[in-house]
Amino acid sequence: RKEVEQDPGPFNVPEGATVAFNCTYSNSASQSFFWYRQDCRKEPKLLMSVYSSGNEDGRFTAQLNRASQYISLLIRDSKLSDSATYLCVVNYNNDMRFGAGTRLTVKP
Amino acid sequence: DTEVTQTPKHLVMGMTNKKSLKCEQHMGHRAMYWYKQKAKKPPELMFVYSYEKLSINESVPSRFSPECPNSSLLNLHLHALQPEDSALYLCASSQVKGEFQPQHFGDGTRLSIL
Repeated sequence: RKEVEQDPGPFNVPEGATVAFNCTYSNSASQSFFWYRQDCRKEPKLLMSVYSSGNEDGRFTAQLNRASQYISLLIRDSKLSDSATYLCVVNYNNDMRFGAGTRLTVKP
Repeated sequence: DTEVTQTPKHLVMGMTNKKSLKCEQHMGHRAMYWYKQKAKKPPELMFVYSYEKLSINESVPSRFSPECPNSSLLNLHLHALQPEDSALYLCASSQVKGEFQPQHFGDGTRLSIL
């Protein structure tokens, strides 16, 4: 079983759509959680950290469910510029594990 | 602009060559990482340095040799690589302790082995 599992997609959505990604992790002692975005042939860039109480940053909402060991990312009002691969990352003692990434394409 | 600087951006080398990848950060981070990323795959952790000491080695072949000369620098020495080692090599840094300490990535070295 992979340590971090993520639906690879692809997700193809029209502009303005709401899209949600989920990610599950196997290590119940994991300490912190993040969503990164990676554009083609670029490095991963932090999108947002995921807090236990859930957190929102503009059109992006992240949630954590420790009991079920999953994290989610919701993108509202999708823009063309949101097209990218979204990676969930789970940390335990600086051992960062990446999900496989979910490819999102937002179409006009 | 990334706060983690990697050089070179691109590297082509033969299987008998010896080369080094370099990574530098000046954010005061005391954890530094090497990742390997193949096309359409997520980054795979190779090594973690914490306070300049190797803390995680993910069973990486000995033809990859990391070095952390000081708190700002991280090197990856390459020798006798194989064609399957061609990939994007990413360096990252973070604080060591504390919750919600994300990694900051360099823009990578694209390595091709002939």
